Amino acid sequence: DAGVIQSPRHEVTEMGQEVTLRCKPISGHNSLFWYRQTMMRGLELLIYFNNNVPIDDSGMPEDRFSAKMPNASFSTLKIQPSEPRDSAVYFCASSLGNSNTGELFFGEGSRLTVL
Amino acid sequence: GEDVEQSLFLSVREGDSSVINCTYTDSSSTYLYWYKQEPGAGLQLLTYIFSNMDMKQDQRLTVLLNKKDKHLSLRIADTQTGDSAIYFCAEGETSYDKVIFGPGTSLSVIP
Repeated sequence: DAGVIQSPRHEVTEMGQEVTLRCKPISGHNSLFWYRQTMMRGLELLIYFNNNVPIDDSGMPEDRFSAKMPNASFSTLKIQPSEPRDSAVYFCASSLGNSNTGELFFGEGSRLTVL
Repeated sequence: GEDVEQSLFLSVREGDSSVINCTYTDSSSTYLYWYKQEPGAGLQLLTYIFSNMDMKQDQRLTVLLNKKDKHLSLRIADTQTGDSAIYFCAEGETSYDKVIFGPGTSLSVIP
């Protein structure tokens, strides 16, 4: 199993540019989560989907952030326009909703630097 | 809302036991987790405990849960340098619901 695949692994961009982060969950998993990790705020849940439907987006910082899951094997997190305070590592995780444990499987993260 | 707290740093000598503590606020939490994050990587589930249990042992790992005080601890016996990582306490209400993470405890193991 390839695990959760995120791209890009690293992105450096300038303030005001659009950023798109991509995630491919583990095949068969029906829940997908986007987290953001920073030194100051730790690991924050931004949004999560069940069966491709957004369930809770209360963690999305502001309207500049949007997330989509057009099908079971792909999700995007978009920031437009980006700002320096968006610099962080963004993690995607997936889980099998009817598992015994609710274990989350994380990707390796996308490190975003906004100059 | 839900909140998970844990100390940020812990330093131990190789061979000693490490104890990482966590408190949470959501009394509806059914699943309590410990995840491990190594440098430059995502988080991986280390162990978990259901809220109707008070202890779980898995090789060098012992998890203790005091549901009344909403206190969770992770004990690592015979700590090794390879155990150096960030350890996250987390809680969830159901197996398909969101998981809320604490800030993480950075464990440093001194050879």
